[in-house]
Parts: sequence; C-alpha cells; structure tokens
Amino acid sequence: GENVEQHPSTLSVQEGDSAVIKCTYSDSASNYFPWYKQELGKRPQLIIDIRSNVGEKKDQRIAVTLNKTAKHFSLHITETQPEDSAVYFCAARNYGQNFVFGPGTRLSVLP
Amino acid sequence: ETGVTQSPTHLIKTRGQQVTLRCSSQSGHNTVSWYQQALGQGPQFIFQYYREEENGRGNFPPRFSGLQFPNYSSELNVNALELDDSALYLCASSFGQQETQYFGPGTRLLVL
Repeated sequence: GENVEQHPSTLSVQEGDSAVIKCTYSDSASNYFPWYKQELGKRPQLIIDIRSNVGEKKDQRIAVTLNKTAKHFSLHITETQPEDSAVYFCAARNYGQNFVFGPGTRLSVLP
Repeated sequence: ETGVTQSPTHLIKTRGQQVTLRCSSQSGHNTVSWYQQALGQGPQFIFQYYREEENGRGNFPPRFSGLQFPNYSSELNVNALELDDSALYLCASSFGQQETQYFGPGTRLLVL
C-alpha cells in the first residue's frame, strides 16, 4: 500500500522568510495530493491540493509542486507570518484507495 | 470553517467500555471517512462510508465499527476500549469517494 514520508519534522523560520516542506510517496498510481494545516486543538484545514495532471499550483503565498517521476511533492510558503505557525500534513491518494497522511511538520514562524 | 460537526467534543472512558462517536457531514456530502490521530502523528484511516455502505477499511480491528444513516451522518463505535485507543477521532466528509475531504473538529477520547 501507499506510504508517505514527510520532512522535516520541525521547521523554524524567521517572519518574512520562506518555508518548504517535502513529502515523498511510494505508490506511483497516486493521483491526488492535498495539504492540511492543523493549529493546536483544531481540525485539519485544507490549504491547497494538486492533482497528478498538474506540476504546480499557487494560491497567494502558498504553492505546491509535484514531481511524478521522483514521486515527491512540496509545499512552499512565502513571506511567512506568525499565524502560519501550525502542524502541516501532506497526504496522497490513489484512485479507488483512501488517503494516506504523512507524519506532519511543525512549523514555527519566529517574529 | 467546514460544515462538518462531531459530538461529543471530549470523552473519558475506562478500559473495556464501549463508545459511540457521531459525525454530521457537510451539506451535500454523501461520504464520511473516519480517522484516528494519536498525539504528534498524522491521521490514520479507519474506514469510509459511502451511501450507507462501508467502502474501504484501514488496519484497525473489528472492534472498530461504524454505520452511515440515510441523511449521510455517521457513527463510529469502539468496543472493548484499550488504553491505546486514546486519541483524537476525526471524521471527514466529501462529495463522492474520491473527492476532497473536509474535516470535523474531532472528538478527543481518553481511555483510563
């Protein structure tokens, strides 16, 4: 079955800097890759997603890139702000299968 | 915030007891998935319900069971609770089995 790895497990950046979180997946048939942000004590919230027919997607300060050949995808946050501090989870899904989540990255944006 | 709701928000049980958790899906969504999230870990898939039928199950024992009602709300039942069952239980709803999932706020279960 699918296995998703996520790095780094913790990430600290200065406010205004960029943050990059990387995930790798094992099932080459996976075709949908969402990213969720989870603040302390709150539900995971979808922040961006990408499908396998697209290489990159951007939404304001957030972007996701997908490399199907290497089987990895990355979340890019530019101009980080303190409210970006949270745990970020990537996930992968193959059509007909269910979501497999990475272990999470704790992002701290230092003022 | 999504329209997915869960009850109760918190629950304390003792080993061996049984628990029922509830989830109301977002309006228009016909699929509910359940996840267990242990502290410091990503959500682990338990099972999914689509149009009242179980549609996929993760690596969880049969004492984890569920159902979905005609209005697409869902229940997760756990029998013979163990200490390791202590976790945040999340449900997520979607329109269709393969579409984007939106999470509820979760039920935090503590087993003593």
